[in-house]
Parts: sequence; C-alpha cells; structure tokens
Amino acid sequence: KNQVEQSPQSLIILEGKNCTLQCNYTVSPFSNLRWYKQDTGRGPVSLTIMTFSENTKSNGRYTATLDADTKQSSLHITASQLSDSASYICVVSDAGGYNKLIFGAGTRLAVHP
Amino acid sequence: KAGVTQTPRYLIKTRGQQVTLSCSPISGHRSVSWYQQTPGQGLQFLFEYFSETQRNKGNFPGRFSGRQFSNSRSEMNVSTLELGDSALYLCASSLGQGSSYNEQFFGPGTRLTVL
Repeated sequence: KNQVEQSPQSLIILEGKNCTLQCNYTVSPFSNLRWYKQDTGRGPVSLTIMTFSENTKSNGRYTATLDADTKQSSLHITASQLSDSASYICVVSDAGGYNKLIFGAGTRLAVHP
Repeated sequence: KAGVTQTPRYLIKTRGQQVTLSCSPISGHRSVSWYQQTPGQGLQFLFEYFSETQRNKGNFPGRFSGRQFSNSRSEMNVSTLELGDSALYLCASSLGQGSSYNEQFFGPGTRLTVL
C-alpha cells in the first residue's frame, strides 16, 4: 500500500535554532516528492519539488534532501523564524496511472521566541 | 498574476442540504484538483479535472462530485451533507495534470461547517 509517513508529529523549537523534519514513503513507482508549508487556515504553499535523480534542493532557509534508495526525505530549516510556525506536509507522486498524489499527515512546527 | 480563488470562503449548512463550492484557477492553468482537509485525516484527494475531464478520483462517496468548465473554472458539489463533511476544502491549479512535475498552487480554501 502506498503510504507517506512523517515524523515527528509536532515539534517546538526556539527562534534561531535549526530543525529537521522527516518523511518516509513506500510509494512505488515513484515520480516526485514535494514539501509544502501550510499556515493555519490557509492553503499549502510549495517549498520544493524533487525527482528521483535529485538529492538536494534549497529554497532560502529550507533545504530538502531525498534518498530514493531508502525512500526517505528530510526538510531542514535553518535559523528558524517565528513565521516558520506552520504545518509541513510531504507529498509523493505515484508514477503509475495518472500520477496520484499521496499526502503525509504533516509535522506541526511551533517556533517560540 | 492573480492566484487561485475560491468562493465562498466560509459556509454553514445543515445536515441533508447540498452545497456547491467554486474554484477559479490561475490564468492559463488547465488542471484543477480538489482536496478535503480535516484535523483527523489531513489532506485527502477528492478529484482532478484537466481540460473539462475528470482525470483522477480519490476514495470518496458519490455524494461528492465536480465539474470543470471550458474556462478551467471548477465547481465541487456535495449532496446530502453529513456532519463528517465539515472540513476545509482546498482547490489547487497547475499548468498540466497536477500530479506530474507541474507545481500546484493552492487556493485559500472554503471552510464548510455542517450543523
């Protein structure tokens, strides 16, 4: 069964600190993996999209890594800011059929001053 | 370029009623996908429309339906509302089919409350 699992479920860090969010997936065949940031009450915003041939991709203070062999991805946030408080969702595209998107449950990050 | 717009933003209905939600994609985008988001289930895929045709469908009952017009605008309808249908309904648009490498852009969502 195609699944995407994220950890931790929630995380609290102090402003200025770094953190890493994890995403493990069992989706096969694999097309691409995305990380989204979702502020409370708003729609998700794309941070990165990676195919199997890409190991790392950065978007400002956000860096995503992908290991297609172990089916793991991580999102590293550097020098966190209060505005980073949000849910971070990992999404994997299944390359079979019409490339169905499979969503993780998300990690809720709270950055405290 | 204007983003994805969804109307209405908030809606309160009672059990048994039906509701229609609207989504206007970014200009030039031909794919519209709909998602339901609840605290317990997270984001769940409802269906995707591309060039007025439903290309993909999630595991939702037939009470959930949608359509796409020639201008790529899309509507989603839920009939015989149940309490469990209370959720944030998100629409996302992309140039090509949403699940491919094309980036999806989400709207702000419609918050539906069923009493």
